[in-house]
Amino acid sequence: SQKIEQNSEALNIQEGKTATLTCNYTNYSPAYLQWYRQDPGRGPVFLLLIRENEKEKRKERLKVTFDTTLKQSLFHITASQPADSATYLCAQRDSGGYQKVTFGTGTKLQVIP
Amino acid sequence: NAGVTQTPKFQVLKTGQSMTLQCAQDMNHEYMSWYRQDPGMGLRLIHYSVGAGITDQGEVPNGYNVSRSTTEDFPLRLLSAAPSQTSVYFCASREGSGNTIYFGEGSWLTVV
Repeated sequence: SQKIEQNSEALNIQEGKTATLTCNYTNYSPAYLQWYRQDPGRGPVFLLLIRENEKEKRKERLKVTFDTTLKQSLFHITASQPADSATYLCAQRDSGGYQKVTFGTGTKLQVIP
Repeated sequence: NAGVTQTPKFQVLKTGQSMTLQCAQDMNHEYMSWYRQDPGMGLRLIHYSVGAGITDQGEVPNGYNVSRSTTEDFPLRLLSAAPSQTSVYFCASREGSGNTIYFGEGSWLTVV
């Protein structure tokens, strides 16, 4: 079955440093991967999408990479700020007509001032 | 633009009771879906719809019913609530040709 894995342990980093979150997928090569941000008590919010033929995608302080050989996506936040503290979810599009999306369990990021 | 609106925000049910979680979107999106989110389990798809009158089961459909009579609305019905259905429920929508999923703010359900 298609599976997507994120490090469930929380990631604590110092303000100003670069945070790097990992997403691994197995048994399937997705056409794209997505990253979402979820704040406590709120619904996930879309951040970035990267396609299988793209190595890297950037948006302001965010950068996502997609390595089809390693079956992995890395999500980077440069110059991190306390406001970046949240849970970040990785998602992949499954095969099939509806294009169902499978989500990872998320990694909680805490940026320490 | 309201986006995806869910009601109620919080609900406590007794085992065996039934209820409906309401979901409405004002973006004219074709696709709508319901997820539940549990600690350590991530978001799991319950039911989804690709358009008015068309619904299908997701990963964890047992104990839930849906219908899609209009493009805007996609209610989720719990037929006979069980403690295992205690969870946070998210309604979501997206364009048929789009990739971005828009989520509601969630409905916290406790079954005692």
